[in-house]
Amino acid sequence: SQQGEEDPQALSIQEGENATMNCSYKTSINNLQWYRQNSGRGLVHLILIRSNEREKHSGRLRVTLDTSKKSSSLLITASRAADTASYFCATDEGTYKYIFGTGTRLKVLA
Amino acid sequence: DAGVTQSPTHLIKTRGQQVTLRCSPKSGHDTVSWYQQALGQGPQFIFQYYEEEERQRGNFPDRFSGHQFPNYSSELNVNALLLGDSALYLCASSTRRTEAFFGQGTRLTVV
Repeated sequence: SQQGEEDPQALSIQEGENATMNCSYKTSINNLQWYRQNSGRGLVHLILIRSNEREKHSGRLRVTLDTSKKSSSLLITASRAADTASYFCATDEGTYKYIFGTGTRLKVLA
Repeated sequence: DAGVTQSPTHLIKTRGQQVTLRCSPKSGHDTVSWYQQALGQGPQFIFQYYEEEERQRGNFPDRFSGHQFPNYSSELNVNALLLGDSALYLCASSTRRTEAFFGQGTRLTVV
């Protein structure tokens, strides 16, 4: 079963705009990770945030984590057509078993 | 570093047959996990191998089995294939201290 859900399920924006997607989960976690998937192929790791961290940056990516609300958000700034993909959050309770959300399909229009 | 490699890339099998999928982990990684991703869904955890033993298992029937070899590579076996087993099968490798790196997956179609 899925741990939680990403919101929105689908997002369409213009190139240069920011994209924000949210993830909610159900149980206590050790860390949360975001992955990108292009055209139903392999998952590319984007960023990991630990349960004792509240915000993390990597290039154009900004991730926040609110453990009290059991939620996380991924912000992609100045989006590009190449950012078009599905984005998944995955939680780890400390057992190295990842529980994935349902994903957000992002489409960036040139 | 070749990263995580999976073979084959695509596979078509008939209902009732058996299939074996293979995974070579990223160099230095000793833990291999397998996931099933149905179309339009997030990946679902099947099981995880560490030190050649199955350490954790998701909610999958016994038709799904696996193996890890001394060189850390792994196989996923599925017996008595059902149409519902059609999916992308992803292998992920990691250590006890790193995030997981995923392979490109094997697309299994059961007809």
